[in-house]
Amino acid sequence: AQTVTQSQPEMSVQEAETVTLSCTYDTSESNYYLFWYKQPPSRQMILVIRQEAYKQQNATENRFSVNFQKAAKSFSLKISDSQLGDTAMYFCAFMKHETSGSRLTFGEGTQLTVNP
Amino acid sequence: DGGITQSPKYLFRKEGQNVTLSCEQNLNHDAMYWYRQDPGQGLRLIYYSQIVNDFQKGDIAEGYSVSREKKESFPLTVTSAQKNPTAFYLCASSIGLAGSQYFGPGTRLTVL
Repeated sequence: AQTVTQSQPEMSVQEAETVTLSCTYDTSESNYYLFWYKQPPSRQMILVIRQEAYKQQNATENRFSVNFQKAAKSFSLKISDSQLGDTAMYFCAFMKHETSGSRLTFGEGTQLTVNP
Repeated sequence: DGGITQSPKYLFRKEGQNVTLSCEQNLNHDAMYWYRQDPGQGLRLIYYSQIVNDFQKGDIAEGYSVSREKKESFPLTVTSAQKNPTAFYLCASSIGLAGSQYFGPGTRLTVL
């Protein structure tokens, strides 16, 4: 079974600065996908970024980028120019292909607070 | 507007009652999922469905049931057999086996 670990329960950053959230995972699969989701106080889960394991290039979405280290099974999220609206719980998630369907396995989350 | 809707937003249930949570999507996605979230924790998979009239148990299916009679709809019933049903329930959908999952706004269920 896959496991996802987020070792930072809480983090804080000053507005306009850069912050990196850590995630490690354990799997014996070679073909899989990794995601970061954001859950603001409204509790809506919002997809931030997606990475395919077969791609060497790190994914980027505007101010959000990842550092994907496949051999180390590490998948960190970097948020540049942090904004107050980035305050949320961030979840790392793993997905592998299965013939019966694709299932997400989530980490425990990191609560990020952006301070003015 | 395309998206995923869940209703109701808040639901209260007396012990011993079954309740049904609604999830509808107009994204033309094939796959739909139900997750449960407890305070301070990540999401856990209850049930998922890749196609109409077919669904699979997730990691915590005991005490829950689902149906998938239409592509757009995937209702979740929380039965009286579920010992601790108070939680936040999230529905998601994806375009296929490798598609990213997109979530609805959630339903907060409280057992009185």
